[in-house]
Amino acid sequence: AQKVTQAQTEISVVEKEDVTLDCVYETRDTTYYLFWYKQPPSGELVFLIRRNSFDEQNEISGRYSWNFQKSTSSFNFTITASQVVDSAVYFCALSGKGGSEKLVFGKGTKLTVNP
Amino acid sequence: DAGVIQSPRHEVTEMGQEVTLRCKPISGHNSLFWYRQTMMRGLELLIYFNNNVPIDDSGMPEDRFSAKMPNASFSTLKIQPSEPRDSAVYFCASSLAALAGAGTGELFFGEGSRLTVL
Repeated sequence: AQKVTQAQTEISVVEKEDVTLDCVYETRDTTYYLFWYKQPPSGELVFLIRRNSFDEQNEISGRYSWNFQKSTSSFNFTITASQVVDSAVYFCALSGKGGSEKLVFGKGTKLTVNP
Repeated sequence: DAGVIQSPRHEVTEMGQEVTLRCKPISGHNSLFWYRQTMMRGLELLIYFNNNVPIDDSGMPEDRFSAKMPNASFSTLKIQPSEPRDSAVYFCASSLAALAGAGTGELFFGEGSRLTVL
């Protein structure tokens, strides 16, 4: 069975701090996809990134970066120089080889960035 | 372009009543998903369709829940009879899956339907 664990339930930081959100996954598939979604206070779910199991290169997009390590089954998300607008619940998710088949979500990490 | 459209955005009903949630996926997408979000259980997949056919409904809680996708541009999730424990935010999402099943993987979510059953 597939499982995603986000051990951090809530994180609170002060603006401009760097923050890392942890994600650990379990799967028996050799091909799989990992995702991060953001859910701001308004409630919608916003796609941030998809990574397949064969691509372990880290990715950077502006202030966001992701560290994928198959050896530890982790896909961590770092926000550099956090801003108040980054306050949201962040979900890590996993899907099987289809990529667009069902996503299994972690419970989410609520990030609060204080001014 | 229009995103995934869900209605109603909010629904308050009494226990025992029938509830119908509606979803219009993004045009051209061939996979549709219904998720439920609660504080206790987080985001749970209820059912998903590919090319209008239900592929996996193992997440549907019980027979009170049913989902249909009569065509590529419309899906419904029905709860009959509703119970207070069904109170949640119900999300519809769509995606484009390639013929080989290796889609882009990005699910586009609607804004959700917040259901309160009294």
